[in-house]
Amino acid sequence: DAGITQSPRHKVTETGTPVTLRCHQTENHRYMYWYRQDPGHGLRLIHYSYGVKDTDKGEVSDGYSVSRSKTEDFLLTLESATSSQTSVYFCAISESQAGGPSFGPGTRLLVL
Amino acid sequence: GENVEQHPSTLSVQEGDSAVIKCTYSDSASNYFPWYKQELGKRPQLIIDIRSNVGEKKDQRIAVTLNKTAKHFSLHITETQPEDSAVYFCAAKDFGNEKLTFGTGTRLTIIP
Repeated sequence: DAGITQSPRHKVTETGTPVTLRCHQTENHRYMYWYRQDPGHGLRLIHYSYGVKDTDKGEVSDGYSVSRSKTEDFLLTLESATSSQTSVYFCAISESQAGGPSFGPGTRLLVL
Repeated sequence: GENVEQHPSTLSVQEGDSAVIKCTYSDSASNYFPWYKQELGKRPQLIIDIRSNVGEKKDQRIAVTLNKTAKHFSLHITETQPEDSAVYFCAAKDFGNEKLTFGTGTRLTIIP
């Protein structure tokens, strides 16, 4: 597996609380992505980054923000968690736009 | 934006038989089509991909075919084995675009 770690791996939180998920890579890849996976929806892109401090929205970005201050770290923040954000979150990395990304191990988030 | 439809959502085949999963896409600009395999509780992993200048690609027991005119592509697994049981996702994007759009997945079960 590519050198990608995610933390935490599991989290339970309450509605209205802020949550930050961290993705860390050791591959020095330029591109980093956050996806969420839900039954019946496959994998949907939340936000992505194409360099330090360079980020853009994906198809389901409402309620999420991201930051990338270093090449190796990409943070996903839920400013005020809602039950609809209960999901499995995957970070992914890619060296270029020419291929498919490699995924991290995932974070399972439950919002009560 | 791109829309990828995947069929069937579930597929059961006898061990040793072949399995075929089909995907259609909407954006004629898409030119990169990867397939991911996700075992239960694990991360999605890239198993094969095809680019639009190629009609077919094989890797041992798996093959992918692409029909750009009809905007559909398929995954073929021959001589299926129990370890092929997993959820398979197709995806599509334009090379110059960071946004990879996934299908909703096919749960493949190999019956011993």
